[in-house]
Amino acid sequence: QVQLVQSGPVVKKPGSSVTVSCEASGGTFTSYSFNWVRQAPGQGLEWVGGIIPLGGIIRYAQKFQDRATITADKFKSTVYLELRSLRSDDTATYYCATSLEWGQGSQVTISS
Amino acid sequence: AIQMTQSPSSLSTSVGDRVTITCRASQDIRGELSWLQQKTGVAPKVLFFSATNRHGWVPPRFSASGSDTEFTLTISSLQPEDLATYYCLQDYNYPYTFGQGTKLEIK
Repeated sequence: QVQLVQSGPVVKKPGSSVTVSCEASGGTFTSYSFNWVRQAPGQGLEWVGGIIPLGGIIRYAQKFQDRATITADKFKSTVYLELRSLRSDDTATYYCATSLEWGQGSQVTISS
Repeated sequence: AIQMTQSPSSLSTSVGDRVTITCRASQDIRGELSWLQQKTGVAPKVLFFSATNRHGWVPPRFSASGSDTEFTLTISSLQPEDLATYYCLQDYNYPYTFGQGTKLEIK
């Protein structure tokens, strides 16, 4: 069973960028597809995008198409989400997930 | 994008009650639906995947059914530890989409 461990909380200024990481262990990295999901305070779940490392397939939700980049490092068994041009409404917990397991979440706070 | 309509949005229930949550997809999603449980302040956990496949940690009082566009999550006898918000997720095609969530409250 894969386990997903994410990077810690960060505070960023509006207009800057953030990179969140997710390290997978306990399974074969290239056998999974990974998704990034975010949850603003008190809100529901929102799919940001996903990556299938084996095939190099990457997809984004339309609203993140221009600001998000998802990558995978097979040697580190780690996937990354970079989000640029941060705004206050990007304040959220960002989760990585496979079809069966979720990471613990990474709190991203945007504040001037 | 496929729209997922989940109902009810909240439910006030009692221990021992039978609870049913429904998710309707705007098109056939070929059974590619997951149910998630999220307790306050922690990450969601997968209950079921591919509509009816139970994750290993899930107690037998939870069941899931459905196909095409209509899916149901049932808790046969609600326990206090089932207090949570439940979400459906379609992973049939991109962009993946979630239901709005159902918040269970214990009377």
